[in-house]
Amino acid sequence: DADVTQTPRNRITKTGKRIMLECSQTKGHDRMYWYRQDPGLGLRLIYYSFDVKDINKGEISDGYSVSRQAQAKFSLSLESAIPNQTALYFCATSATRQGNQPQHFGDGTRLSIL
Amino acid sequence: QQQVKQSPQSLIVQKGGISIINCAYENTAFDYFPWYQQFPGKGPALLIAIRPDVSEKKEGRFTISFNKSAKQFSLHIMDSQPGDSATYFCAALTIGSNYKLTFGKGTLLTVNP
Repeated sequence: DADVTQTPRNRITKTGKRIMLECSQTKGHDRMYWYRQDPGLGLRLIYYSFDVKDINKGEISDGYSVSRQAQAKFSLSLESAIPNQTALYFCATSATRQGNQPQHFGDGTRLSIL
Repeated sequence: QQQVKQSPQSLIVQKGGISIINCAYENTAFDYFPWYQQFPGKGPALLIAIRPDVSEKKEGRFTISFNKSAKQFSLHIMDSQPGDSATYFCAALTIGSNYKLTFGKGTLLTVNP
């Protein structure tokens, strides 16, 4: 089983709809992240959370919101989806206790907004 | 402001050749430089990483070369194989700060058989 699980893996929806992407992890990590990947732009940080009560905006948070329901669960919401939010979305986790512990990524959610 | 610049955007190498991907950074506070490898349909996975107190780190066929004064680092893949075909991202972060990774834009590597 994957350590970082994202659901759904693919989603097609219409402009104006509310969308929620979910991420759960079994790694026991305290830090969780949401990234967006667009061709030629790399990965850009949307939101990150260092624990259940700590939520921080990343470089492209406009139009997105997040919820850290538990240490193992971090969801990303698009309140009113627009076509330029069509992208590949990744959740990642890392552990505070291990210095330069790298981030571990899920396999992504491909989101298409028509 | 792009803090980590990666080149080239795409690279085609013959089997057995050397693949070289370059990155440059601007923020001197960065003190950890990982490389991630991403296959289609998968998330990025850590490949190899280096701290700026060393000039080179080697793991198997993968080597990071680091030039602190020039603020540049590169990934070398020796004896490149078709299975190495993937997108490679360099990244940087500041340990002890917010642990936010800043990624380069990625390099699509194709190794022809």
